Amino acid sequence: ETGVTQTPRHLVMGMTNKKSLKCEQHLGHNAMYWYKQSAKKPLELMFVYSLEERVENNSVPSRFSPECPNSSHLFLHLHTLQPEDSALYLCASSQAQREDEQYFGPGTRLTVT
Amino acid sequence: QKEVEQNSGPLSVPEGAIASLNCTYSDRGSQSFFWYRQYSGKSPELIMSIYSNGDKEDGRFTAQLNKASQYVSLLIRDSQPSDSATYLCAVNTGFQKLVFGTGTRLLVSP
Repeated sequence: ETGVTQTPRHLVMGMTNKKSLKCEQHLGHNAMYWYKQSAKKPLELMFVYSLEERVENNSVPSRFSPECPNSSHLFLHLHTLQPEDSALYLCASSQAQREDEQYFGPGTRLTVT
Repeated sequence: QKEVEQNSGPLSVPEGAIASLNCTYSDRGSQSFFWYRQYSGKSPELIMSIYSNGDKEDGRFTAQLNKASQYVSLLIRDSQPSDSATYLCAVNTGFQKLVFGTGTRLLVSP
């Protein structure tokens, strides 16, 4: 595996479900990011982890819960989502302090029914 | 006020022409600026970065930065149909945060 991978690529879940998105980077980076991309809206930064510590939480609802067990892995735990949470969720990584050169994974297309 | 503004397009250019994509930003303290390309159904890919006023060229791509006017642009020379994509402007506002525009959709017709 190379670059940044994300699983699953597609996810359909009900509003009462609990699911998790996984991201793994194989670039030797030590900062990881979650973004949300909705139609007609700019990429929204959700969470940033640098050196395994959370450094940014952009007023994201508590139904989204990130976890970064090590510098290569990032999870986004989802529970009791709303239909408006349907979007493309992108993971990215970079070197810490080099947030300007981020490499994105392919994304998870999430649909909340 | 939006932090990073782009015309959503689509910008249509014929093959071989120069495509000019523009972006303005609101944070005067921003120091670094980026262009990402996103093909339909794919993730963004970094194609250009620029840190100082002036032009930066990389192959068919030229990024231009004017900090006084808070303006960044991307020129694509000899546009190809394969350049058809959405181009996202991103600005580093510090604190490990990139702020993105909504993107400009470019269509290059054969």
